[in-house]
Amino acid sequence: GESVGLHLPTLSVQEGDNSIINCAYSNSASDYFIWYKQESGKGPQFIIDIRSNMDKRQGQRVTVLLNKTVKHLSLQIAATQPGDSAVYFCAENNAGNMLTFGGGTRLMVKP
Amino acid sequence: GAVVSQHPSRVICKSGTSVKIECRSLDFQATTMFWYRQFPKKSLMLMATSNEGSKATYEQGVEKDKFLINHASLTLSTLTVTSAHPEDSSFYICSAPQAGGPPDTQYFGPGTRLTVL
Repeated sequence: GESVGLHLPTLSVQEGDNSIINCAYSNSASDYFIWYKQESGKGPQFIIDIRSNMDKRQGQRVTVLLNKTVKHLSLQIAATQPGDSAVYFCAENNAGNMLTFGGGTRLMVKP
Repeated sequence: GAVVSQHPSRVICKSGTSVKIECRSLDFQATTMFWYRQFPKKSLMLMATSNEGSKATYEQGVEKDKFLINHASLTLSTLTVTSAHPEDSSFYICSAPQAGGPPDTQYFGPGTRLTVL
């Protein structure tokens, strides 16, 4: 759902460290989840996805974990780089390609 | 990968005017396109589902007479903000799943920044 307040939650990490961004989703019937990266003034960019029959999926430097019991999704970024600085959204697909986006987290990478 | 474009990328208009935003799938066909609105520091909120050859489906709270959607072909959907007001200023983003493509895969456009003075 939509974030509360004026500012997105912010995660600040040192370059080279690992980042973990969390997301709670709302619909227990959702069967497909996606993480998107959005840079300022641009559209969302697909990062990684996971289906509900899995609890972990790895990509290049990114890992998504799904905990259906508590309806929680996380994105792990290994060796975070300055280019990873952006806002990250999780999205759940629960019916007919319709996506519901989470509130978003701003990742800031300090050099 | 598949590409979705939007035009214009940025528009500034006076209050009371109408603005048309185009969403095109450049190298694939899309029977369905989605329109989102994103306010500053907020998440994307689905406004409507655009269906080729039929009426759009609007989310609750979105005025269909204010946000006119036309999906005239398999590669083009347009969103017209009629009688725009400053509160309509936002970032409008479209997305499209590729017809016959991998299920659940959506391709997002780069967004259109609308500023109503």
